[in-house]
Amino acid sequence: EVQLVESGGGLVQPGRSLRLSCTASGFTFGNYVINWVRQAPGKGLEWVGYIRRKDYGGTAEYAASVKGRFTISRDDSRRIAYLQMNSLKIDDTAVYYCARGLEFSSGWHAYWGQGTLVTVSS
Amino acid sequence: DIQLTQSPSSLSASVGDRVTITCQASQDISNYLNWYQQKPGKAPKLLIVDASNLETGVPSRFSGSGFGTDFSFTISSLQPEDFATYYCQQYDHLPSFGQGTKLEMK
Repeated sequence: EVQLVESGGGLVQPGRSLRLSCTASGFTFGNYVINWVRQAPGKGLEWVGYIRRKDYGGTAEYAASVKGRFTISRDDSRRIAYLQMNSLKIDDTAVYYCARGLEFSSGWHAYWGQGTLVTVSS
Repeated sequence: DIQLTQSPSSLSASVGDRVTITCQASQDISNYLNWYQQKPGKAPKLLIVDASNLETGVPSRFSGSGFGTDFSFTISSLQPEDFATYYCQQYDHLPSFGQGTKLEMK
């Protein structure tokens, strides 16, 4: 069974950093694109970024709203994807989901984690 | 960046009704358009992939169509469990989501 579990959320002050983890099981983790999607309280879904598989460069793409502040990485040996969030703003307050993409593109997201809440507040 | 505009943003309907939601892309995205259902406090659930293909296990009352810039999503006969928020999502280049359509009981 495919499972994704996010962790690392919590309360953080503006300007500080936080790292989220997405731990996967039930599939060959290294073969898939991993996405991060967030949802501010009472708002819609916003794609944050994705990371490609290592044999396709392992590079990441980001939404304009987080580019330069957020970094996605992956550790295929541990089956974990990370979202490093720096210079956090109040507007970054959201539930953060990781979602499995396809093997070669972000594609559609058939599998999602349960989400982890990040609250940016002083 | 590709913008997706969903319409309507909210919709009131009754069990048994047929409802349609539209999603317009700001540029041609071929058929790289998916639809999700989200209930409060839950992760989104994938319903339709590549504009018109029903995800495995999704009831046949859900359907999608469209190509290029104009897409639609239809529930042929609303069931009580279908009241939720629906999102379109494109993946032609950098992914993006529509703003959502909240389907409420009349």
